Amino acid sequence: EAQLVESGGDLVHPGGSLRLSCEASGFPFSNFWMHWVRQAPGKGLVWVSRINNDGSDRSYADSVKGRFTISRDNAKNTVYLQMNSLRAEDTAVYYCTRDNYGPHHYMDVWGKGTTVTVSS
Amino acid sequence: DIQMTQSPSSVSASVGDRVTITCRASQGIASSLAWYQQKPGRAPQLLIYDASNLQSGVPSRFSGSGSGTYFILTISSLQPEDFETYYCQHGDSFPITFGQGTRLEIK
Repeated sequence: EAQLVESGGDLVHPGGSLRLSCEASGFPFSNFWMHWVRQAPGKGLVWVSRINNDGSDRSYADSVKGRFTISRDNAKNTVYLQMNSLRAEDTAVYYCTRDNYGPHHYMDVWGKGTTVTVSS
Repeated sequence: DIQMTQSPSSVSASVGDRVTITCRASQGIASSLAWYQQKPGRAPQLLIYDASNLQSGVPSRFSGSGSGTYFILTISSLQPEDFETYYCQHGDSFPITFGQGTRLEIK
């Protein structure tokens, strides 16, 4: 069974940094694109970033561009999200998701999420 | 960026009812649309992809239709476990965007 397990969420001060990790299992990780999606408390889903299967191509939401960096280590079956210059509005549950491996981009496997709180 | 607009934002219904939720895209996306269900405190679950394809394991009472800019999620006979929040999402290009969500409540 395909599984994703996020870690690294924490309470951090505005302007601080955090690195989220997502370990995959149960599927050939290096074949799949991966995404990060976030959800602020009581709000809807917001796509954050994606990375292709070999890490050579990445995309970001405008709200995080220049502050967040997505990366992956296929040998460790892990995708990362480095978050710098954190703001209060980055407070959210961050989900790691798997792209469904088709011509269009949907998310067919989700982790349980890790919580990031940015507050002084 | 492509904007996704769902309606209604909330709907009340009874067990056994048929319910439809709509999603409009700000520009044509062919059939590049997905629907998700989210339970409180849980990660979303993919229900429908490519506008009308049922994800494996999803009950057949869920169906999707539409193309271009207008899409519909139909639940044919509501079960107690269906009273959750539903999101549409376009998969046409980046940035991916979601609708604002529709909360399905018990009447």
